[in-house]
Amino acid sequence: ELKVEQNPLFLSMQEGKNYTIYCNYSTTSDRLYWYRQDPGKSLESLFVLLSNGAVKQEGRLMASLDTKARLSTLHITAAVHDLSATYFCAVDIGWETSYDKVIFGPGTSLSVIP
Amino acid sequence: DAGVTQSPTHLIKTRGQQVTLRCSPKSGHDTVSWYQQALGQGPQFIFQYYEEEERQRGNFPDRFSGHQFPNYSSELNVNALLLGDSALYLCASSLMTYSNQPQHFGDGTRLSIL
Repeated sequence: ELKVEQNPLFLSMQEGKNYTIYCNYSTTSDRLYWYRQDPGKSLESLFVLLSNGAVKQEGRLMASLDTKARLSTLHITAAVHDLSATYFCAVDIGWETSYDKVIFGPGTSLSVIP
Repeated sequence: DAGVTQSPTHLIKTRGQQVTLRCSPKSGHDTVSWYQQALGQGPQFIFQYYEEEERQRGNFPDRFSGHQFPNYSSELNVNALLLGDSALYLCASSLMTYSNQPQHFGDGTRLSIL
């Protein structure tokens, strides 16, 4: 059974600090996605990672994928309050094309405090 | 450019009843996936529809069924509702032929079972 784990599940960090969220998964996949969800809202796509070694950056967030280690990281640089949200990684194990079967992690609830 | 739209936004039902949720994909998208998100958890994949057929299915009982129409819109039907079916139901759309593009989520339907 596929397991997608995130670490940590809860993160409280000060503004201006750096931190990394880890996403481990238990089966072969070379497609992984990161999403953001604000309280009471839907999911917003942050990154689409489609190959081993993929690295993408948007603003203060950078995501990477190591398919051999079955590990993805979401690095936060110089956190600001607006980044407070829940972050999900999701592993795509579909066999035909993207989003055939997407398994989400439990989410990391991030709180950035002044 | 209209995004993914879902209706209704909220719904209250009692145990044993049946419910139909609706989704219109983002303009230009042809694939619809449905997810169930319980409070405080990550979304769980229910199924995906493309070309009016169910392509992949998550670990959900047959009480959960769906349909996709020629205009790519989709319905999720749940029969014999249980208390445990209370959740946020999310619809996501994508374009089958462009795997590097993100999946877009609707705002969801919050279903409460009494």
